[in-house]
Amino acid sequence: IAGITQAPTSQILAAGRRMTLRCTQDMRHNAMYWYRQDLGLGLRLIHYSNTAGTTGKGEVPDGYSVSRANTDDFPLTLASAVPSQTSVYFCASSVDSTGELFFGEGSRLTVL
Amino acid sequence: SQKIEQNSEALNIQEGKTATLTCNYTNYSPAYLQWYRQDPGRGPVFLLLIRENEKEKRKERLKVTFDTTLKQSLFHITASQPADSATYLCALVPSGGYNKLIFGAGTRLAVHP
Repeated sequence: IAGITQAPTSQILAAGRRMTLRCTQDMRHNAMYWYRQDLGLGLRLIHYSNTAGTTGKGEVPDGYSVSRANTDDFPLTLASAVPSQTSVYFCASSVDSTGELFFGEGSRLTVL
Repeated sequence: SQKIEQNSEALNIQEGKTATLTCNYTNYSPAYLQWYRQDPGRGPVFLLLIRENEKEKRKERLKVTFDTTLKQSLFHITASQPADSATYLCALVPSGGYNKLIFGAGTRLAVHP
């Protein structure tokens, strides 16, 4: 059972570099999401997509972009990484915008 | 502003006892509420969902209550086991859907043998 696959699992990045976190799901879910998780702050929504071809901004979208060219893939791009983007990033999906979320195992990103 | 609060202090209990975790929210009208379990270094895993018109939901040793008057949900694990040790997250889902889903920071539960 694959579910949601994220890559890389961990990355150290120099400030100013461009980085893309990959997310692929094999459940044919319509909705996909990117969250960041920081100690004491909980999960915060960065961007979401209710269906292929559409995206929307979450609570903390600045400095991030996403695309949803097909149902399965939802990459998150940091155009020019900054230290405040050091976090653990989780990709998630749901059948629609109201069902339970299925999460990947996370990508730990450190920006120096 | 909208806020969802969980006890930031870890909850330590003895094996076999009932663990009760609290989720409080303010300035929010949730359509329903969810509870997730998260183990260290892993992604959250869905446990239970309760709707605003439901007062209680059960699943095996788990029970969730939802009081929209008190703006509070309680999550109970009966006959707790060391394997139940994890961080438990609550999340509020508005009537508009997941676009505005808000997670609490989670409460860590440690069950001691």
